[in-house]
Amino acid sequence: SYVLTQPPSVSVAPGKTARITCGGNNIGAENVIWYQQKAGQAPVLLIYLNIDRPSGIPERFSGSNSGNTATLTITRVEAGDEADYYCQVWDYSGLSWVFGGGTKLTVL
Amino acid sequence: QLQLQESGPGLVRPSETLSLTCTVSGGSTTSGSYYWGWIRQPPGKGLEWIGSIYKNGTTYYNPSLTGGVTISADTSKNQFSLKLNSVTAADTAVYFCATQRIFAGHFYYGMDVWGQGTTVIVTS
Repeated sequence: SYVLTQPPSVSVAPGKTARITCGGNNIGAENVIWYQQKAGQAPVLLIYLNIDRPSGIPERFSGSNSGNTATLTITRVEAGDEADYYCQVWDYSGLSWVFGGGTKLTVL
Repeated sequence: QLQLQESGPGLVRPSETLSLTCTVSGGSTTSGSYYWGWIRQPPGKGLEWIGSIYKNGTTYYNPSLTGGVTISADTSKNQFSLKLNSVTAADTAVYFCATQRIFAGHFYYGMDVWGQGTTVIVTS
Protein backbone atom coordinates (compact mmCIF):
# COMPACT_ATOMS: atom_id res chain seq x y z
CA SER A 1 0.00 0.00 0.00
CA TYR A 2 1.01 3.60 -0.55
CA VAL A 3 2.93 5.24 2.28
CA LEU A 4 3.08 8.95 3.11
CA THR A 5 5.90 10.21 5.32
CA GLN A 6 5.74 13.45 7.29
CA PRO A 7 8.18 14.91 9.82
CA PRO A 8 6.75 14.54 13.33
CA SER A 9 7.30 18.17 14.19
CA VAL A 10 8.13 21.55 12.72
CA SER A 11 8.82 24.72 14.70
CA VAL A 12 8.63 28.28 13.42
CA ALA A 13 8.68 31.77 14.86
CA PRO A 14 5.64 34.01 14.44
CA GLY A 15 5.65 35.93 11.18
CA LYS A 16 7.98 33.46 9.51
CA THR A 17 7.27 30.78 6.91
CA ALA A 18 6.63 27.15 7.81
CA ARG A 19 7.04 24.32 5.35
CA ILE A 20 5.64 20.88 6.08
CA THR A 21 6.62 18.07 3.75
CA CYS A 22 4.85 14.90 2.75
CA GLY A 23 6.93 12.25 1.05
CA GLY A 24 5.67 9.45 -1.15
CA ASN A 25 6.77 7.43 -4.15
CA ASN A 26 6.19 9.67 -7.19
CA ILE A 27 3.72 11.68 -5.14
CA GLY A 28 3.94 14.38 -7.78
CA ALA A 29 1.58 12.26 -9.87
CA GLU A 30 -1.02 12.21 -7.10
CA ASN A 31 -3.70 14.58 -5.90
CA VAL A 32 -2.49 15.61 -2.43
CA ILE A 33 -4.86 16.89 0.18
CA TRP A 34 -3.95 18.69 3.41
CA TYR A 35 -5.81 19.05 6.68
CA GLN A 36 -5.32 21.12 9.79
CA GLN A 37 -6.39 19.69 13.13
CA LYS A 38 -6.33 21.83 16.23
CA ALA A 39 -6.35 20.24 19.66
CA GLY A 40 -9.66 18.61 20.50
CA GLN A 41 -11.24 19.46 17.16
CA ALA A 42 -12.12 17.70 13.95
CA PRO A 43 -9.76 18.13 11.01
CA VAL A 44 -10.38 20.97 8.58
CA LEU A 45 -9.71 20.69 4.86
CA LEU A 46 -6.94 23.12 3.90
CA ILE A 47 -5.79 22.16 0.42
CA TYR A 48 -7.10 19.86 -2.31
CA LEU A 49 -5.91 19.09 -5.82
CA ASN A 50 -2.40 19.89 -4.53
CA ILE A 51 -2.85 23.66 -4.63
CA ASP A 52 -6.52 24.65 -4.31
CA ARG A 53 -8.03 26.13 -1.15
CA PRO A 54 -11.65 25.75 -0.06
CA SER A 55 -13.46 29.00 0.52
CA GLY A 56 -12.56 30.53 3.85
CA ILE A 57 -9.00 29.21 3.95
CA PRO A 58 -6.52 32.10 4.04
CA GLU A 59 -4.10 32.63 1.17
CA ARG A 60 -1.27 32.20 3.68
CA PHE A 61 -1.80 28.46 3.21
CA SER A 62 -0.53 27.05 -0.07
CA GLY A 63 0.45 23.69 -1.47
CA SER A 64 2.89 22.36 -4.01
CA ASN A 65 3.70 18.90 -5.28
CA SER A 66 6.53 17.56 -7.38
CA GLY A 67 8.63 14.46 -7.62
CA ASN A 68 8.55 12.55 -4.37
CA THR A 69 7.56 15.44 -2.11
CA ALA A 70 4.46 17.51 -1.55
CA THR A 71 4.76 20.62 0.59
CA LEU A 72 2.34 22.68 2.63
CA THR A 73 3.61 26.23 3.05
CA ILE A 74 2.27 28.59 5.67
CA THR A 75 3.45 32.18 5.34
CA ARG A 76 3.29 34.84 8.06
CA VAL A 77 2.70 32.17 10.67
CA GLU A 78 0.41 33.10 13.55
CA ALA A 79 -0.01 31.59 16.99
CA GLY A 80 -3.40 30.31 15.85
CA ASP A 81 -1.72 28.13 13.23
CA GLU A 82 -0.36 25.85 15.92
CA ALA A 83 -1.92 22.49 15.10
CA ASP A 84 -1.34 19.06 13.62
CA TYR A 85 -1.21 18.91 9.84
CA TYR A 86 -1.95 15.82 7.77
CA CYS A 87 -1.43 15.02 4.12
CA GLN A 88 -3.61 12.52 2.31
CA VAL A 89 -3.97 10.83 -1.04
CA TRP A 90 -6.41 8.40 -2.61
CA ASP A 91 -4.47 5.27 -3.48
CA TYR A 92 -5.95 4.14 -6.79
CA SER A 93 -4.17 0.80 -6.73
CA GLY A 94 -5.29 -0.10 -3.22
CA LEU A 95 -8.63 1.70 -3.52
CA SER A 96 -8.10 3.34 -0.17
CA TRP A 97 -7.46 6.67 1.47
CA VAL A 98 -3.99 7.07 2.94
CA PHE A 99 -3.02 9.63 5.58
CA GLY A 100 0.45 10.74 6.46
CA GLY A 101 1.46 10.34 10.08
CA GLY A 102 0.90 14.03 10.80
CA THR A 103 3.18 16.95 11.66
CA LYS A 104 2.84 19.01 14.79
CA LEU A 105 3.48 22.66 14.05
CA THR A 106 4.78 24.60 17.02
CA VAL A 107 4.81 28.39 16.91
CA LEU A 108 7.69 29.55 19.06
CA GLN B 1 -25.19 23.64 4.78
CA LEU B 2 -24.15 20.02 5.08
CA GLN B 3 -23.57 18.84 8.65
CA LEU B 4 -22.70 15.49 10.17
CA GLN B 5 -23.24 14.19 13.69
CA GLU B 6 -21.86 10.95 15.11
CA SER B 7 -23.71 9.00 17.78
CA GLY B 8 -23.27 5.75 19.62
CA PRO B 9 -22.10 4.20 22.89
CA GLY B 10 -19.01 5.65 24.45
CA LEU B 11 -17.99 2.37 26.06
CA VAL B 12 -17.71 -1.03 24.41
CA ARG B 13 -16.50 -4.27 25.95
CA PRO B 14 -13.64 -6.21 24.38
CA SER B 15 -14.71 -8.79 21.78
CA GLU B 16 -18.06 -7.05 21.28
CA THR B 17 -19.26 -5.04 18.30
CA LEU B 18 -18.77 -1.29 18.07
CA SER B 19 -21.73 0.40 16.37
CA LEU B 20 -21.82 4.06 15.42
CA THR B 21 -24.21 6.15 13.36
CA CYS B 22 -23.64 9.36 11.45
CA THR B 23 -26.70 11.53 10.86
CA VAL B 24 -26.62 13.81 7.85
CA SER B 25 -28.40 17.18 7.78
CA GLY B 26 -28.45 19.81 5.09
CA GLY B 27 -27.87 17.12 2.48
CA SER B 28 -28.85 13.61 1.50
CA THR B 29 -27.14 10.24 1.62
CA THR B 30 -28.72 9.65 -1.80
CA SER B 31 -26.61 12.44 -3.28
CA GLY B 32 -24.45 11.34 -6.17
CA SER B 33 -21.85 13.94 -5.20
CA TYR B 34 -20.51 12.28 -2.08
CA TYR B 35 -19.06 9.23 -0.52
CA TRP B 36 -19.72 8.97 3.20
CA GLY B 37 -16.90 7.74 5.36
CA TRP B 38 -15.50 6.93 8.76
CA ILE B 39 -12.11 7.93 10.14
CA ARG B 40 -10.68 7.28 13.58
CA GLN B 41 -7.93 8.70 15.75
CA PRO B 42 -6.51 6.75 18.69
CA PRO B 43 -5.45 8.88 21.67
CA GLY B 44 -2.34 10.87 20.83
CA LYS B 45 -2.04 9.35 17.37
CA GLY B 46 -2.80 10.22 13.78
CA LEU B 47 -5.83 9.82 11.54
CA GLU B 48 -6.78 6.42 10.17
CA TRP B 49 -9.37 6.00 7.42
CA ILE B 50 -11.74 3.11 8.12
CA GLY B 51 -13.97 3.00 5.06
CA SER B 52 -16.48 4.80 2.86
CA ILE B 53 -19.83 4.12 1.20
CA TYR B 54 -21.64 5.53 -1.84
CA LYS B 55 -25.35 5.88 -2.41
CA ASN B 56 -25.47 2.71 -4.51
CA GLY B 57 -23.90 0.67 -1.71
CA THR B 58 -20.39 0.63 -3.13
CA THR B 59 -17.97 0.44 -0.23
CA TYR B 60 -14.24 0.79 0.18
CA TYR B 61 -12.46 -0.37 3.33
CA ASN B 62 -9.01 0.12 4.76
CA PRO B 63 -7.17 -3.08 3.81
CA SER B 64 -5.04 -2.90 6.93
CA LEU B 65 -7.94 -3.34 9.30
CA THR B 66 -7.92 -6.94 10.38
CA GLY B 67 -11.21 -6.95 12.24
CA GLY B 68 -14.59 -7.17 10.57
CA VAL B 69 -15.72 -3.75 9.38
CA THR B 70 -19.08 -2.99 7.82
CA ILE B 71 -20.34 0.36 6.64
CA SER B 72 -23.97 0.68 5.62
CA ALA B 73 -26.45 3.42 4.85
CA ASP B 74 -30.09 3.96 5.78
CA THR B 75 -31.33 6.48 3.25
CA SER B 76 -34.78 6.65 4.86
CA LYS B 77 -33.16 8.07 7.98
CA ASN B 78 -30.43 9.96 6.12
CA GLN B 79 -27.82 8.10 8.13
CA PHE B 80 -24.85 5.86 7.57
CA SER B 81 -23.35 3.48 10.08
CA LEU B 82 -20.19 1.73 11.13
CA LYS B 83 -19.91 -1.70 12.69
CA LEU B 84 -16.57 -2.97 13.91
CA ASN B 85 -16.55 -6.54 15.17
CA SER B 86 -14.52 -8.14 17.96
CA VAL B 87 -13.04 -4.91 19.25
CA THR B 88 -9.92 -4.70 21.37
CA ALA B 89 -8.27 -1.91 23.33
CA ALA B 90 -6.55 -0.89 20.08
CA ASP B 91 -9.93 0.24 18.77
CA THR B 92 -10.20 2.92 21.46
CA ALA B 93 -10.32 6.17 19.51
CA VAL B 94 -12.24 9.25 18.50
CA TYR B 95 -14.39 8.24 15.55
CA PHE B 96 -15.26 10.83 12.92
CA CYS B 97 -17.63 10.66 10.01
CA ALA B 98 -16.86 12.78 6.96
CA THR B 99 -17.95 13.43 3.40
CA GLN B 100 -15.79 12.84 0.36
CA ARG B 101 -17.00 14.83 -2.58
CA ILE B 102 -16.44 13.19 -5.93
CA PHE B 103 -16.44 14.42 -9.49
CA ALA B 104 -16.49 12.19 -12.53
CA GLY B 105 -15.77 9.25 -10.25
CA HIS B 106 -12.63 10.79 -8.75
CA PHE B 107 -11.87 11.87 -5.22
CA TYR B 108 -10.48 15.25 -6.11
CA TYR B 109 -11.69 17.20 -3.10
CA GLY B 110 -10.77 15.22 -0.03
CA MET B 111 -12.93 15.16 3.06
CA ASP B 112 -14.58 18.54 3.19
CA VAL B 113 -17.21 18.15 5.91
CA TRP B 114 -16.53 16.40 9.21
CA GLY B 115 -18.58 15.55 12.23
CA GLN B 116 -17.29 16.68 15.61
CA GLY B 117 -16.22 13.14 16.50
CA THR B 118 -17.29 10.72 19.19
CA THR B 119 -15.03 8.99 21.68
CA VAL B 120 -15.24 5.24 22.00
CA ILE B 121 -13.38 3.45 24.77
CA VAL B 122 -13.00 -0.30 24.71
CA THR B 123 -12.92 -1.54 28.28
CA SER B 124 -14.18 -4.41 30.33
